[in-house]
Amino acid sequence: DQQVKQNSPSLSVQEGRISILNCDYTNSMFDYFLWYKKYPAEGPTFLISISSIKDKNEDGRFTVFLNKSAKHLSLHIVPSQPGDSAVYFCAASEMASGSRLTFGEGTQLTVNP
Amino acid sequence: KAGVTQTPRYLIKTRGQQVTLSCSPISGHRSVSWYQQTPGQGLQFLFEYFSETQRNKGNFPGRFSGRQFSNSRSEMNVSTLELGDSALYLCASSLVGLAGVNEQFFGPGTRLTVL
Repeated sequence: DQQVKQNSPSLSVQEGRISILNCDYTNSMFDYFLWYKKYPAEGPTFLISISSIKDKNEDGRFTVFLNKSAKHLSLHIVPSQPGDSAVYFCAASEMASGSRLTFGEGTQLTVNP
Repeated sequence: KAGVTQTPRYLIKTRGQQVTLSCSPISGHRSVSWYQQTPGQGLQFLFEYFSETQRNKGNFPGRFSGRQFSNSRSEMNVSTLELGDSALYLCASSLVGLAGVNEQFFGPGTRLTVL
């Protein structure tokens, strides 16, 4: 039972344009959501997060949107840069259950110069 | 500040053997979580330790176990290895292990290959 799903295994975008990565979840108990970026041979690196009491959180070029009714979140990267090329993981958590994260399968983002 | 370190980085074992992986969290972090990453299953939560106690456990068989020492360093052990245990094992540490309060920092992982 995949509680967090990233339906697009890959996404290719031109440098300077917007990248939009999507994530859906099924567990209504999730109340905290995160995005991680992963380069090969490295561990995931935290990017940005959002709690369920908000619908948007922005940090520089990265913005996460949460639509609780649709159980959907998205990560927007504007403008996209070649260095953003990596695998992006969506993760969800129940804040009351400690640090346990449930991850999506990941989306490989390629930003072309 | 040094990041999360994991040793060894690469490991090759044969079926039936056991293996121990080590994780040193960021100094001051008391929560250590372990994850398994495989191509088919993605990143899956194994367990979390906080102050030497297992606080949370994922859906893995009893062959997977762990422990945490008083200095917060953690080890995970896999006994009777199976081919399907081949994976990247990631360790993550955080201050107190509460999602939404402290972010988790991941180590580079240990790549285990079971032949």
